[in-house]
Amino acid sequence: SQTIHQWPATLVQPVGSPLSLECTVEGTSNPNLYWYRQAAGRGLQLLFYSVGIGQISSEVPQNLSASRPQDRQFILSSKKLLLSDSGFYLCAWRGVQLTEAFFGQGTRLTVV
Amino acid sequence: AQSVTQPDIHITVSEGASLELRCNYSYGATPYLFWYVQSPGQGLQLLLKYFSGDTLVQGIKGFEAEFKRSQSSFNLRKPSVHWSDAAEYFCAVAFTGGGNKLTFGTGTQLKVEL
Repeated sequence: SQTIHQWPATLVQPVGSPLSLECTVEGTSNPNLYWYRQAAGRGLQLLFYSVGIGQISSEVPQNLSASRPQDRQFILSSKKLLLSDSGFYLCAWRGVQLTEAFFGQGTRLTVV
Repeated sequence: AQSVTQPDIHITVSEGASLELRCNYSYGATPYLFWYVQSPGQGLQLLLKYFSGDTLVQGIKGFEAEFKRSQSSFNLRKPSVHWSDAAEYFCAVAFTGGGNKLTFGTGTQLKVEL
C-alpha cells in the first residue's frame, strides 16, 4: 500500500534561518506531489506542485522554493525564513490517474 | 482560474441534528470534487469524492454529497451529527484539462453541541 512520510512534525526556527522540509512517498510511481500551507482562516493554500522529477510549478510568489530530486521525494526550502512563513505545511500526493490526494501528517513551523 | 468557495466559516449544530456544509466551485470544465475532514493538528482524511455518474455520492462516517452542475455546487450532508464529527471540513476541486492542480476552499469549522 502507499504511504506518505513528512518530517519533522514540528519545527521552531529563528527569522533569517534556512528551512528544509522533506516529503517522501512509498508504494507508487510517478506521483503528482503537492505542498500546501494552512493558515488560520485561509484554508489550504497551494504552494507548489510537481508532475515529475525536476518539474516544479509555483502557485504564489513567496519566500519559498521546492525541489523534486527523486521520483518520490519532494522538498520545501527557504534560504531565509520570515515571520510570515509560520504555518502548518502539508505534503500530498495523487496518482497518475489524478484521483484523490493523500496527505501527510503535516509540519507545524513557527518562525520566531 | 479554478476556485472553491465555502461560504460558512463556522457552523454549530446540536448532536443528532442534520448537517449541510456548502461548497461552490468556479471553472468551466468537468470537475472532480472532494470533501476532506481535518482533526486539529492532523493531516486531511478523504470523506468522499465525485468523478462522474450518480450525482449523489456516499462517503465514510455516514456522510453524503450531491453534485449539482447547474448550481456549481457539491454540498456535504449528514442526517444525524455525532459529537465526534466536530472538525474542520474542506471542499476541493480539480478539473479535467485543468492541469494537475487540486484547489481547496477555506474550510468550515464544525462545532457540535451536546
